Amino acid sequence: AQRVTQPEKLLSVFKGAPVELKCNYSYSGSPELFWYVQYSRQRLQLLLRHISRESIKGFTADLNKGETSFHLKKPFAQEEDSAMYYCALSGKGFQKLVFGTGTRLLVSP
Amino acid sequence: DTGVSQDPRHKITKRGQNVTFRCDPISEHNRLYWYRQTLGQGPEFLTYFQNEAQLEKSRLLSDRFSAERPKGSFSTLEIQRTEQGDSAMYLCASSTTSGYNEQFFGPGTRLTVL
Repeated sequence: AQRVTQPEKLLSVFKGAPVELKCNYSYSGSPELFWYVQYSRQRLQLLLRHISRESIKGFTADLNKGETSFHLKKPFAQEEDSAMYYCALSGKGFQKLVFGTGTRLLVSP
Repeated sequence: DTGVSQDPRHKITKRGQNVTFRCDPISEHNRLYWYRQTLGQGPEFLTYFQNEAQLEKSRLLSDRFSAERPKGSFSTLEIQRTEQGDSAMYLCASSTTSGYNEQFFGPGTRLTVL
């Protein structure tokens, strides 16, 4: 079975501090990993996908198959980064997304 | 707005009543998904369609739940004999079959069962 674990419900940092939101997954096949973000009163939207290895809004995430992790990082947090972040897993043979429980990021001035 | 749309945005009903939600995907997307999200949880998969064919249903989807996508465009999710445990946000998403599985989400329908 596929599973995504986000161990932190809340991460609170000051503006300018580094941020790391943790995500671990369980899947025996070849995974596709995503980070989705939900800002206040907005819909869920895709932030990053591991396959494109891009940086969006200063965020990056590297897939570590050995540690089965896909942590989301940003070197300097901004107040506008405050949101709910969900890690999600898909893979060959299944089309659904399996989500973690989410981490709320709160960036204080 | 060319994104995924859902209707209604909010629904309050009494236990035992039937409710139906609608989802309109992005027009060129042939895959459509339904998820349910309760407080403090991430979205949980319910079912998905490729064109008009329903290809997968979660075990979460009891017999009281039925979804259709009759012409391969919009989809409906019906819940019969609603229970208080059905109270949740129901999310719809769509994607194409090409490339990686990037899903675009609608705003959701919040269901409250009294």
